[in-house]
Amino acid sequence: GNSVTQMEGPVTLSEEAFLTINCTYTATGYPSLFWYVQYPGEGLQLLLKATKADDKGSNKGFEATYRKETTSFHLEKGSVQVSDSAVYFCALSDRGRGSSASKIIFGSGTRLSIRP
Amino acid sequence: DGGITQSPKYLFRKEGQNVTLSCEQNLNHDAMYWYRQDPGQGLRLIYYSQIVNDFQKGDIAEGYSVSREKKESFPLTVTSAQKNPTAFYLCASSTKTGFGTYEQYFGPGTRLTVT
Repeated sequence: GNSVTQMEGPVTLSEEAFLTINCTYTATGYPSLFWYVQYPGEGLQLLLKATKADDKGSNKGFEATYRKETTSFHLEKGSVQVSDSAVYFCALSDRGRGSSASKIIFGSGTRLSIRP
Repeated sequence: DGGITQSPKYLFRKEGQNVTLSCEQNLNHDAMYWYRQDPGQGLRLIYYSQIVNDFQKGDIAEGYSVSREKKESFPLTVTSAQKNPTAFYLCASSTKTGFGTYEQYFGPGTRLTVT
């Protein structure tokens, strides 16, 4: 079945450091891939997405490239800020049919803390 | 302004009582979902619905019930049969993309505390 594996946290970095959060996936079809961010006490917000191989999603300085050959969608940011402290979730939506077609598969989340 | 609303943000109940959490969306999305999130944990799918008058159990449906009588509404009832109901509950809706996949959006969540 489909699955998403992301690096375990917590990840603690200093401000202006380079960030990478790893995400790999298993899918039977041709999924769309997503990164969501969750700030404390809030719902998840869609951060960026990619719908096909070699697509690069980007938003707010974050980037992720859909790598079909390595089944990966790693999240990167060149210089993190304290305000980036949050939990980040990698997710996929696979093409399918029937009653389960709309299920989204989420990774377990990675907590990121940025020190001033 | 389109979006997903969940009310209330905080909800307190006594053990043994059923409680219904509200979720409304004006995004014209067909699919809606309920997730449960425990402290420091990821998301667990409770129920989801692809169209009106149809819904499917997720991974942890026991002790919960839903209805989908209108496209914009997907209320979740936490029954007294749910052993550990205290959690953060997230509602989401999604639209089908041109690629045949779904893009999901979330509400702000309801924090339920049962004592």
